[in-house]
Amino acid sequence: DTGVSQDPRHKITKRGQNVTFRCDPISEHNRLYWYRQTLGQGPEFLTYFQNEAQLEKSRLLSDRFSAERPKGSFSTLEIQRTEQGDSAMYLCASSRGVGLSSYEQYFGPGTRLTVT
Amino acid sequence: AQTVTQSQPEMSVQEAETVTLSCTYDTSENNYYLFWYKQPPSRQMILVIRQEAYKQQNATENRFSVNFQKAAKSFSLKISDSQLGDTAMYFCLNAGNMLTFGGGTRLMVKP
Repeated sequence: DTGVSQDPRHKITKRGQNVTFRCDPISEHNRLYWYRQTLGQGPEFLTYFQNEAQLEKSRLLSDRFSAERPKGSFSTLEIQRTEQGDSAMYLCASSRGVGLSSYEQYFGPGTRLTVT
Repeated sequence: AQTVTQSQPEMSVQEAETVTLSCTYDTSENNYYLFWYKQPPSRQMILVIRQEAYKQQNATENRFSVNFQKAAKSFSLKISDSQLGDTAMYFCLNAGNMLTFGGGTRLMVKP
C-alpha cells in the first residue's frame, strides 16, 4: 500500500521563476488538500479538491498560485513569479470524501521550496 | 474568522509519565470535527485521534485520549505512559467549512 507521494522533495529556485509541484494521493481517496507550512508553524490551508473539482480556495492563495487535479487523481500546484516569502514546506494530503472520513487526512512528506 | 490556539509552544515529560497538551478554538459553526496530528522530526504528519463535535463522549485511542469541552471550545490531548517515540510536534485541527490548524506544541519525551 503506497501512501501519499510528493515530487520533488526539495526545490531551490531563483526569485521570479515558476515552479510546479506534484502530489499523488492514495488511490481510493477522492479528496486532495494542499497546505503551506513555514518553520515552527502549523499548516495553513491553501485549497482542496473533491475528485477533479476545486471546492475551496484560501485567500492565502494569491493569483500567482494555481492548482489542478485534471482527472481526479494526481494534482499539481504551480507558483508563478516566486518570491522569497514563498519559501516553505508545501504539504499535500488526501482523504475519503464521506463525513468524518473526509477530514481524516493522510499527509505526504512535503516539498520544501527555497526561493533565493 | 476561525482560530485554533495551542498555548504551550514546548513541553517535556519523563518517559512513562502522563502529559496533557491544550487546544482551544473559536468557531461559529455547529457541526465540525476536531483532530490531533503528530509530526515527528523530519517525518510526515500522522493522525493521532479524532472527535466529532456532536458526540459528548471523549475519544480514546490506546494511550491517547481527549478532553472535549464543547461549551468552553477546548480540546486537550492526554498522552499516558509517554514513550520516546512520542517526541514530535503536535497540531490540533478544527475541520468544518474551514480547515484550521493550531500553531503546534513541541513535545520532548525524556528517558
